[in-house]
This record gives sequence, C-alpha cells and structure tokens, in this order.
Amino acid sequence: QVHVVESGGGAVQPGRSLTLSCAASGFVFSDYAMTWVRQAPGKGLEWVAIISDHEINTYYADSVKGRFTISRDNYRNTLYLHMNDLRPEDTAVFYCARAVWDSHGSYFDHWGQGTLVTVS
Amino acid sequence: QPVLTQAPSAAASPGASVTLTCTLTSDHSNYRVDWYQQRPGKGPRFVMRVGTGGIVESRGDGIPDRFSVWASGPNRYLTINNIQEDDEGDFYCGADHGRGGNFVAVFGGGTRLTVL
Repeated sequence: QVHVVESGGGAVQPGRSLTLSCAASGFVFSDYAMTWVRQAPGKGLEWVAIISDHEINTYYADSVKGRFTISRDNYRNTLYLHMNDLRPEDTAVFYCARAVWDSHGSYFDHWGQGTLVTVS
Repeated sequence: QPVLTQAPSAAASPGASVTLTCTLTSDHSNYRVDWYQQRPGKGPRFVMRVGTGGIVESRGDGIPDRFSVWASGPNRYLTINNIQEDDEGDFYCGADHGRGGNFVAVFGGGTRLTVL
C-alpha cells in the first residue's frame, strides 16, 4: 500500500530556514515524480514544487521560486523541501504527494496527512 | 496558465445526486482536469482525471462507481450519485501546464460539499 508521511514542520521566525521531509513506502520511489502542495489555514490548495523521478527536472511556483528547493534521495525513499527566507505568508500545511507525470501532464494520486509550518 | 473556477459551495441530501463544476479559461478548454476530495481534517485524495471528451483517464484507489465525470467545452463535471455522509468535504479540481520548458500546476478554489 502506498504511503507518504511528511515531517519537519514547526514554528519558525520570519527569515529563517526549515527543511521538510517526506518518507515514501509501498511503491518503487525512483519510478515516480513527487510534488509538494500547501494549504494556508482556511484556504485552498496551492501547488509548490515538483521533481521528476531521477531529479533531472524541478519546477516551482512563482511564490517560492528562489527561496525553496525540492530534492529527493532515491536510496532513502525520501523527498525534501528546503525552505529559506520564510515569510508569514508561507504559513500552511505542507502536503507531499506522489505524481504521475507523463506526456499528458501530471496528477497527484497519493497524498500524505501534511505537516504544519507556522512562520511568526 | 489555466485558471480553474469552482462554485464555493454545494449541498445535497443523503441518497440524492450532486454535480460539481470546474470551468477552465477558454484558452485552455482542451486541458485535462483532475478532481480531489478533502475530508475535514484530512489530506486530499485523488478522485479522477477527466479528459476533454469526458473520458476517465484514471480513477483513484477505492473511489466508488457513484463518482463519475464528464466534460462539455471548458467545463469539467464531477457527479456524485447516492450521496452519503462520508462524501462531505471540499472538492478541488486541478490542472497543469507544461510548455516551453516550464511547468505549473494550478487548483480551483474548491467547492465545499455539505451533506444535509
């Protein structure tokens, strides 16, 4: 059974850094792209970043470009999100999801329960 | 990049049917759309991917046949038949745009489904 479990959230002051992790199991991690999506309190979903299966391609939302870095370790079956220069508007629950990404585009077929990041 | 528009709320009684709508901007009316369900306090769950002809290209694990999708022009629809209390939650549509070496994924604002 596919599982992804986020960790690393917490409270941090503006301008500081934080790294989120996502542990994956139940599938061949290196066969899939992975993505981060966030949700501010009481708001909708906002896509953050995506990384291809072998880390060749990475893309970011404009709101985080230059501040966040998505990476993965295919030996540890783990996805990361390194967040620098955090701002109060980055406060959100961050979700990790497996991405099915091919020539027809992508969709996110398995999601975690999320980890809360509070910037204050 | 596409913009996805959803009504903020919908309501239905147990056993009834409801159709949720996601409207693409006209320039992107041929895009595939994905539906996600988010129950209160939970992470989102993939429901289905729908193509331009209303073709179901992928269905999420454990999604019952009561959930169906169809399409007309820029609109993508998710119909839930025989509504159950467990269906209550927020439904989001999503799409992605990959052109010219760039990629972006977007979501609609979500529709909150209340089971009366």
